[in-house]
Order: sequence, then structure tokens, then C-alpha cells
Amino acid sequence: NAGVTQTPKFQVLKTGQSMTLQCAQDMNHNSMYWYRQDPGMGLRLIYYSASEGTTDKGEVPNGYNVSRLNKREFSLRLESAAPSQTSVYFCASSEFYEQFFGPGTRLTVL
Amino acid sequence: QKEVEQNSGPLSVPEGAIASLNCTYSDRGSQSFFWYRQYSGKSPELIMSIYSNGDKEDGRFTAQLNKASQYVSLLIRDSQPSDSATYLCAVNSNAGNNRKLIWGLGTSLAVNP
Repeated sequence: NAGVTQTPKFQVLKTGQSMTLQCAQDMNHNSMYWYRQDPGMGLRLIYYSASEGTTDKGEVPNGYNVSRLNKREFSLRLESAAPSQTSVYFCASSEFYEQFFGPGTRLTVL
Repeated sequence: QKEVEQNSGPLSVPEGAIASLNCTYSDRGSQSFFWYRQYSGKSPELIMSIYSNGDKEDGRFTAQLNKASQYVSLLIRDSQPSDSATYLCAVNSNAGNNRKLIWGLGTSLAVNP
């Protein structure tokens, strides 16, 4: 089992460009999450999906959109990237409260 | 605002010593408590879960929970240089019907050979 996978691992964007971060899990978990992690700020929840077909805003949703494509996949889209979105992005999944993380995407917006 | 607080460190211990990491939380309704380890440049990895008052041991790791004091700790016995990492405390959010966790900012641990 691969667990939680994320693509890409690294990305550099220019201000105003768009991109989609992909996440997939093979643990048959119902819940999936997108976090960003910045120095001194800890893990901050962007969006989460409690189950297939549902999504809800987290702590810092502005500038992002998500799609729960099916039970396995949960994507995060930046429509118009800004330098403030430079961060490390983690996807996670859970069946109950224990969350399991993907390897992360390091995004730089110039 | 529900919070989880940890000392940021760095906590520095010699190899072979006991490292003690502490976490307090504000939501009295929380029932599930987790410790994650995060190596530099890597993703968080779950190392301990605890749900009941008292101690839970797993190898060199012991998690301790005191719900009355709203306090959870992680002890690492016989600390090794490979234990050097940031340790994140997470507590379930008791608000609404969801599986969200509230995260501390983490404590940086350095184990010196």
C-alpha cells in the first residue's frame, strides 16, 4: 500500500499562474484534508472533506478551491497564485481521528 | 478559540537520557490525543495515540494523559540522535460532526551524541 501520495513534490509558479495539487489515498478512508505549513505557523487546515461528495472550509481557505473527485482523490487548486501562498502543502486522510500524511508539495510563488 | 500549546524548544538532551515533551489543550470535551514526529523536510508521522487517562507505553515512547489538568505528555526513554525532530501534539476538535484535529506548533528536540 502506498498510503497517501501527492504530486508534484516541488513546483515553482509565477504570480497569477494557476495549478492543481493532486492527492490520492489507498487506505479506503472517508475523510481527507489539505494543510499548509509555514515556519512558526504550524499546520493550518485549508479545506477538508468528511466524506465523498462533501467539502468544507478550514482555517485558511481564501485563494484555494478543492474537489473530492471520488473516495480516493482530493485535489487542491490555486486559481491565481500569490507569493503569500509559498508554503509546504500536505494532504492527509483519516477514518477516525488519526490522520496519515502524504509526503508534501513544496510550492514557491515568485 | 480552541488551542493546543507546546513549548517551542529547542529541547536539548544527551544521548541515553529521557526526553519529556509537554502539551496543554483548552477544549475540555476533547477525547483523542496524538503525538506526531516530523523530521526536517518530511511530513508528520503518527507515533502515539492516547484516549484514556494514565500512561500508554510503546517501546521507548510513553504517552501520559491527564484530562482533569488538560495535559498530555510524551516521554522518550534512552533518547537517540535519530529522535531529533519536531514533535507535534494534536487533539480532536469537539466542535461539530467532523474529524478535525487541533494542532500545536511543535517542540523541537535535539539529542546530542
